[in-house]
Amino acid sequence: KAGVTQTPRYLIKTRGQQVTLSCSPISGHRSVSWYQQTPGQGLQFLFEYFSETQRNKGNFPGRFSGRQFSNSRSEMNVSTLELGDSALYLCASSFWTSGRPGELFFGEGSRLTVL
Amino acid sequence: AQSVSQHNHHVILSEAASLELGCNYSYGGTVNLFWYVQYPGQHLQLLLKYFSGDPLVKGIKGFEAEFIKSKFSFNLRKPSVQWSDTAEYFCAVNATGTASKLTFGTGTRLQVTL
Repeated sequence: KAGVTQTPRYLIKTRGQQVTLSCSPISGHRSVSWYQQTPGQGLQFLFEYFSETQRNKGNFPGRFSGRQFSNSRSEMNVSTLELGDSALYLCASSFWTSGRPGELFFGEGSRLTVL
Repeated sequence: AQSVSQHNHHVILSEAASLELGCNYSYGGTVNLFWYVQYPGQHLQLLLKYFSGDPLVKGIKGFEAEFIKSKFSFNLRKPSVQWSDTAEYFCAVNATGTASKLTFGTGTRLQVTL
């Protein structure tokens, strides 16, 4: 069974640009979450999508957005990049069951460097 | 909002030593608790989880954790560590009703020496 796949794995952008990251969840998983990992702040929740609807949102500015497609694949977008957006962006998928979260399966991440 | 504290940022142990990593959370309601591990160069993976029932939960690779509700703690233990346990360990909490949202601690880097 294939794991969570994130693309691209590495990318370099300059301030002011925008970036789109992609995540393909494990087959059958309808919940996709995004996290930002930095040395200073650790792992911080960005948002979660389930059946194409945003179900949860973390405390990030509106420059961070996401969406989910009918095949459960998800993208996140960061507009007007700032130096502080340099981070490892992790996607996680899970098989949601009523009332409790399933195990999160993480991808290897997309490492974004903003110059 | 919930928060998670991991008091040990960097732990160095010799092989065969016992391990206990602290985790405390702040939330007044019902929670689900997790420990995740990130081995060097690998993705995060689940070690163990607690939803309800027996507060002592066993996970993979000989790890266990005990949920002490009165102390808001979920400490991770292993009786005898191996060199291959060198990794970063993350405690996480999910407040019931928040779907799959996890709040992570800042992580503990464990280094096991031969």
